Order: sequence, then C-alpha cells, then structure tokens
Amino acid sequence: GQNIDQPTEMTATEGAIVQINCTYQTSGFNGLFWYQQHAGEAPTFLSYNVLDGLEEKGRFSSFLSRSKGYSYLLLKELQMKDSASYLCAVSLASGGSYIPTFGRGTSLIVHP
Amino acid sequence: ETGVTQTPRHLVMGMTNKKSLKCEQHLGHNAMYWYKQSAKKPLELMFVYSLEERVENNSVPSRFSPECPNSSHLFLHLHTLQPEDSALYLCASSQESRGGFTDTQYFGPGTRLTVL
Repeated sequence: GQNIDQPTEMTATEGAIVQINCTYQTSGFNGLFWYQQHAGEAPTFLSYNVLDGLEEKGRFSSFLSRSKGYSYLLLKELQMKDSASYLCAVSLASGGSYIPTFGRGTSLIVHP
Repeated sequence: ETGVTQTPRHLVMGMTNKKSLKCEQHLGHNAMYWYKQSAKKPLELMFVYSLEERVENNSVPSRFSPECPNSSHLFLHLHTLQPEDSALYLCASSQESRGGFTDTQYFGPGTRLTVL
C-alpha cells in the first residue's frame, strides 16, 4: 500500500528559507513530484526526483532519499506569492502504468 | 488555445440531474486523468486513460462514468449524485511511454461542483 505524509500547515517570514518534508511508504516507487497549488487554482508542477540527491531550480530545490522514503522541498528567499499549498506526489506502479498518488498537501503561509 | 481546459468552471446540480464535465488537452499527451479534490483531503485519483486503455479505480461509485473518445478529450458523466460529491474536479494530462514512465502532469483549472 502507500502512505504519504506531509505537515498540514507551516508559516514562515518573507525572505526566509523553509523546508517542507514528505515521507512515504510505498511499493513500486518510480519517482516523486512536488506541485504548487494556489487557492482556487490548479496544481502546477515544481519538480520531479527519481534518483537520490538534490535537484535545484532557482529558488526551489527538491531532495530525495529512496532508501529512507523521504523527500523535502526547500524554498529560499521566500516571497508573499509563495503562500500556497505544496503537494507531494509519489509515482507508483499500477497495472503496467505509473500513477501519481498525492499527499494531503502542506499549506504554507508567508508573512511580512 | 494551450494547456488543459475544463468546462464548465462551476456547476450546481440537484441529486436527480444528469450532467457532464468536459476536459480537453492541447499538449499532445497520451494519458488523461480525473481527480476529486475535497477540503482537507488529498487529491483522489478517480480514473485514468493511458495509452488508450482505461485504468479504473474500483472505489469510484458508478454514478461517475468516464468517457475518453480520443486522446485529447475526456468526459465525466454524472448522474444521481449525492451532496458529499460536492468538490473540485480536476482533469490532468501527461505523456506516458510504453515502458510505463509517467511524465509530469498538467492540470486544468477544475470544475467546482455543488450538489444540492
């Protein structure tokens, strides 16, 4: 089965750094996605990790450890517009396909 | 027009109505998905059409019926829904290879459904 855990809510200050963790217990793992979803909008892709290590993309970085079933999303130089829900999704094998399964999302509130 | 579009954006229906949600992707992808997003819950995968084959989630009630006439269009037919079916219904598409790798999903804006 699968179990994807991430904190429900986090707060941080503008200009700071925040790390959002995601842990998973799954079989048939094929990779991990992070999506950003602003209130009332569709999720948008941030990053994809399939190998262990850190992937850096501008102010956002994502890390994966497959042996530990652990990932984090690191947001640097926080801006007010980064206030959103951050969704961790694990790509799992299912009937010959790989289906993304989502966690509950972490609501990030950035304050001045 | 680019990306993934969904219509209608908002829908209010009674429990005895029949309605359909429409999704169209202009990205040349070969896989399409329906998700349900309720408050305080994770995105729930409902249906997947991948490489022209349907991968069904058996826990979805039969009052939800998907249709995928081609790789660019996806419908969700609704009938005799319940108030607890009120949610945001999101469509997504991705490119999937024969090896089973699923690429990044691109989501539509969603249909906000209210069942009275």
